[in-house]
Amino acid sequence: DVKVTQSSRYLVKRTGEKVFLECVQDMDHENMFWYRQDPGLGLRLIYFSYDVKMKEKGDIPEGYSVSREKKERFSLILESASTNQTSMYLCASSLWRGTSPLHFGNGTRLTVT
Amino acid sequence: GQQVMQIPQYQHVQEGEDFTTYCNSSTTLSNIQWYKQRPGGHPVFLIQLVKSGEVKKQKRLTFQFGEAKKNSSLHITATQTTDVGTYFCAGFGTDSWGKLQFGAGTQVVVTP
Repeated sequence: DVKVTQSSRYLVKRTGEKVFLECVQDMDHENMFWYRQDPGLGLRLIYFSYDVKMKEKGDIPEGYSVSREKKERFSLILESASTNQTSMYLCASSLWRGTSPLHFGNGTRLTVT
Repeated sequence: GQQVMQIPQYQHVQEGEDFTTYCNSSTTLSNIQWYKQRPGGHPVFLIQLVKSGEVKKQKRLTFQFGEAKKNSSLHITATQTTDVGTYFCAGFGTDSWGKLQFGAGTQVVVTP
């Protein structure tokens, strides 16, 4: 069974801090994704990666960056956290680009004060 | 850009009743996926539809993909308390390969 592990379930950070959210998958999936989930807005794609060291912007990349140095690990970076980045962050992975289902981690609820 | 819209946003259902949630895209989709997120949980993949007009069933759940591949629906019969959660549709646009666009979801509350 695919396991996608996010490093923290809950995180509280201060405005202006640099924040790292880590995600690891154990099924050798090619693709990895970062979404944020807000009430009434569904899941919005921040960044995705279809290969090591490759990244593509999603719909809301502003204020975020990502890193994929190894196939199993995809990190989301908030360069300077702001209160409007308070949200639930979901990492996901999939086997193939375009048709495979996404396997999600349990999410990280980030609060920026 | 591609947008995926779901209606209704909320659905209150009496146990045993049927209901349908709808998903509409502004552009043609190459395929559509449905996910369920239980309260406090993460989205879990339910099914994928690929062909125009395709209908698939999972027990009491019936999924349909429109002929024009721009809309989809999920119909649940004889709703049970285990159906509580938020149902998301998500589609790959024909020109946005790799970018799965999610709808805002339909939150389902079941009254015993």
